[in-house]
Amino acid sequence: DIQMTQSPSSLSASIGDTVTITCQASRAISNYLNWYQHKPGKAPRLLIFDASKLETGVPSRFSGTGFGTHFTFTISSLQPEDVATYSCLQYDNVPYTFGPGTRLEIK
Amino acid sequence: QVHLVESGGGVVQPGGSLRLSCVVAGFSIIDYGVHWVRQAPGKGLEWLAFVRYDGNQMYYADSAKGRFAVSRDTSQNTVYLQMNSLSGDDTGIYYCAKDRLSGYNIQSFDYWGQGTLVTVSS
Repeated sequence: DIQMTQSPSSLSASIGDTVTITCQASRAISNYLNWYQHKPGKAPRLLIFDASKLETGVPSRFSGTGFGTHFTFTISSLQPEDVATYSCLQYDNVPYTFGPGTRLEIK
Repeated sequence: QVHLVESGGGVVQPGGSLRLSCVVAGFSIIDYGVHWVRQAPGKGLEWLAFVRYDGNQMYYADSAKGRFAVSRDTSQNTVYLQMNSLSGDDTGIYYCAKDRLSGYNIQSFDYWGQGTLVTVSS
């Protein structure tokens, strides 16, 4: 199985800050990586697919880059509604695997 | 508008069984595959299973193989997850999610339901 490591596990930032989360795959997965936002009691939301493509309706302050084994997810100009847990997902191979998640808080 | 609604969760004893349902709207399960994903308390998300748009291919995580089975009722636009031999490790919120591409073997997922809670406890 492909293992996904994600860092940091949690972070605290101020409104307007730029935050970056990274995911590393245990082997190359091309660009088969998504980023999801998850808030308690709500359905998780797809933000980025194919490593760098913005899902329809998602604000442009969210972005993703990467290929192979190393991926980054960035939120520019952090907003209060961005408080959530963010997880990466590799879908290069079954079983699909998620990163452990990053909990984002506002300072 | 795409919606997925899970139901069927509850409290079950170790060794017991439960069948979860995922009713979808805004798309047809004969066009899109459906995934199941869960989250144990305090843990990350775990992909569990998938049924292809034509119902002829299923994929399972190792934790689900031999105990869980995905099925569907196309007339009801509903996908099921039959879970047997449950243990405390199966406690968590169970989500269904729509495959992102239609007519595809398996891709990633875009829309999710809000989940249903399964608690395995004596």
